[in-house]
Amino acid sequence: DAGVIQSPRHEVTEMGQEVTLRCKPISGHNSLFWYRQTMMRGLELLIYFNNNVPIDDSGMPEDRFSAKMPNASFSTLKIQPSEPRDSAVYFCASSLASSGGLQETQYFGPGTRLLVL
Amino acid sequence: GNSVTQMEGPVTLSEEAFLTINCTYTATGYPSLFWYVQYPGEGLQLLLKATKADDKGSNKGFEATYRKETTSFHLEKGSVQVSDSAVYFCALSAAASGGSYIPTFGRGTSLIVHP
Repeated sequence: DAGVIQSPRHEVTEMGQEVTLRCKPISGHNSLFWYRQTMMRGLELLIYFNNNVPIDDSGMPEDRFSAKMPNASFSTLKIQPSEPRDSAVYFCASSLASSGGLQETQYFGPGTRLLVL
Repeated sequence: GNSVTQMEGPVTLSEEAFLTINCTYTATGYPSLFWYVQYPGEGLQLLLKATKADDKGSNKGFEATYRKETTSFHLEKGSVQVSDSAVYFCALSAAASGGSYIPTFGRGTSLIVHP
C-alpha cells in the first residue's frame, strides 16, 4: 500500500491567495483527520471525517478554513484567503474505526509545508 | 474532556543511556493508548500501542505498559541510539463528549541522543 498521500509537499504563497491541500487516505480506511503542526501550538486536530461525513470541526480556526471529503478516497483542506499566521505543516491521517466509533492506529501522510508570505 | 500530559523536552541523552518519557492521561471509559514517533521532516508513525489495562506495547526496543491505576503510559528504552533522536507523542483514543471518538495527542517530547 502506498500509505496516505498528500499534495503538494511544499507550498509557498502570498497573503490573500487561496490554498488547497489534498489528501488520499489508505484504501479501506473510514476515518480521515486533518492536523496542523507548529512550534508554538504543537499538533492540533482541525477536523475529522467518518465515512466521508464531518464529525467534529471544532478545531477549524475560523471561516477562512474549509474541508471537504467528496468520496472515500479524497479530501481537501482549503484556506481562503490565506494569512502569514497560517504557515505550518498540515498533516492528513487516516484510520479504520470500529462500528462503535473507536479509532485505532492513525496513519499519517508526509505533510504539506505551507509558507504564506 | 480527554487529555494527555507528557514531559516537556528536550530530553538529551548519551548513546546507550536509559530512556523514560512520562505520559499521563485523563479519559472517560477505557481508552486505547499509543506512542507515535516523528523523525525530522516526516509525518508521525505508530511506535507501539496498548488497548487494555496491564497490556505492554513494545517495538524496536521501546516498551510502555498501560497502567490504569495511575493513568499512565510511560515510554522506556534500555539503551538509546543516535538514530532514536526524534519527537515522541503520547496519544489516546477514547469517547469524547457527544459520543464521538476523537484522538487526543500530547505536546510531544523531543529526544536528542549524542554519540
